Amino acid sequence: DSGVTQTPKHLITATGQRVTLRCSPRSGDLSVYWYQQSLDQGLQFLIQYYNGEERAKGNILERFSAQQFPDLHSELNLSSLELGDSALYFCASSVGGIGGQPQHFGDGTRLSIL
Amino acid sequence: GEDVEQSLFLSVREGDSSVINCTYTDSSSTYLYWYKQEPGAGLQLLTYIFSNMDMKQDQRLTVLLNKKDKHLSLRIADTQTGDSAIYFCAESINTGGFKTIFGAGTRLFVKA
Repeated sequence: DSGVTQTPKHLITATGQRVTLRCSPRSGDLSVYWYQQSLDQGLQFLIQYYNGEERAKGNILERFSAQQFPDLHSELNLSSLELGDSALYFCASSVGGIGGQPQHFGDGTRLSIL
Repeated sequence: GEDVEQSLFLSVREGDSSVINCTYTDSSSTYLYWYKQEPGAGLQLLTYIFSNMDMKQDQRLTVLLNKKDKHLSLRIADTQTGDSAIYFCAESINTGGFKTIFGAGTRLFVKA
């Protein structure tokens, strides 16, 4: 058990819809990272938050947004969903946001778009 | 550019050593990581090495880093069937925050 909690585990929805994925980091970790894992793209870094502020951005689409709340949990919002958004979405957390400390991953949310 | 490359498959016999190789392109990497992913599960951090180190050993795992060639390897001694999984190499790049780039993963098959 990594200590990182992601909900829900599975999500099935239709094209054009909007969903919210939730992540609770390990106790004491200030940074949260979001990743997308798909068969054709592999594991892609989306975005990092550190103590409530956006710190690094990767290949995140404009239709996607994220935030980190004062209690350090984070949400990833995906809107105008397309079939190609079907993937496993991982959240990870680390102690700090500078220095590249090791990240601990949650079990992921599997998103299926019908 | 930022890229991490690793071979896609490796097959070994139980009890042998496995060596998984990885090359990366960004010389400003601070940490390099090895993660393990079993079917249907998340990524488990196996080990990591800071970029100013050459080697790190942790029980059956040995990480070697050749910074000049930008080459990282993971050796698993006495490989067991439970080691069958996908192994991801990753590097952290300082962009103000830390962006982590993952390789495509090496699928390790361990034959009994």
